[in-house]
Amino acid sequence: AQSVTQPDIHITVSEGASLELRCNYSYGATPYLFWYVQSPGQGLQLLLKYFSGDTLVQGIKGFEAEFKRSQSSFNLRKPSVHWSDAAEYFCAVVEGGGADGLTFGKGTHLIIQP
Amino acid sequence: KAGVTQTPRYLIKTRGQQVTLSCSPISGHRSVSWYQQTPGQGLQFLFEYFSETQRNKGNFPGRFSGRQFSNSRSEMNVSTLELGDSALYLCASSLDLRGEQYFGPGTRLTVT
Repeated sequence: AQSVTQPDIHITVSEGASLELRCNYSYGATPYLFWYVQSPGQGLQLLLKYFSGDTLVQGIKGFEAEFKRSQSSFNLRKPSVHWSDAAEYFCAVVEGGGADGLTFGKGTHLIIQP
Repeated sequence: KAGVTQTPRYLIKTRGQQVTLSCSPISGHRSVSWYQQTPGQGLQFLFEYFSETQRNKGNFPGRFSGRQFSNSRSEMNVSTLELGDSALYLCASSLDLRGEQYFGPGTRLTVT
C-alpha cells in the first residue's frame, strides 16, 4: 500500500528566510506526486505536481519541488517565505496506473515569524 | 472558470440521522473524488466517480455511499450517523482519472 510521510508536524521560519518541507513516500512503479496547501477553514489548493520528466517542478506562489527517486522524496522549497505562506501543507501521491485515490501525508503546519 | 462548489458548507446532525452532501465539479471535469478530513486520521480517500460509475473506493463502511449524475455533479450520503463521522468532507474534481485534482472548500459536518 502507498504511504506518505511528512516528518515535520510543525515548522517555524522567519519571514524572508528559505523553506524546505520534507516528504517521503512508498509507492508502486509510477508515482504521481503533489503538494497542496490548506489555509484555515479552506479547501486544498494545488501548489505543484510531478507526473514524469524534469525532476524539478515549478509551482504557484514561488514554490518548487524536486523528485528524487533514489531517496523516495519529493521535498517542497521556497527561497523566501512571506507571512501569507503560513498554512498547512500536504504532500500526496497516487499510483499512476493504480485504482486508489490520493494518499496524503499528515501535513506540516508552517508558522512564519515576523 | 468557476471552481469546485460544495453545499452546504456547514451541517449539524444528530447521531442516527442521515446526511447528503453535494458537489459541483469544475466545468468540463468528469471525475469527482471525495475525501474525509479529521484531526486524528488526516485526509482519507472515500471514493471516486467517473462517468457516473464508482471507479475506486477507500476503506470506509457501507454507510458511506455516493453517486454521480450525467452532468458530473456528485452527491455523497452517510447513513446512521455516528459521532466519529464529524469531519470536513472535501470534494475534488479532475478532467479524468489520474489527473490533478482541484478541491472545493468542503462541508463541515458536526454530529451531536
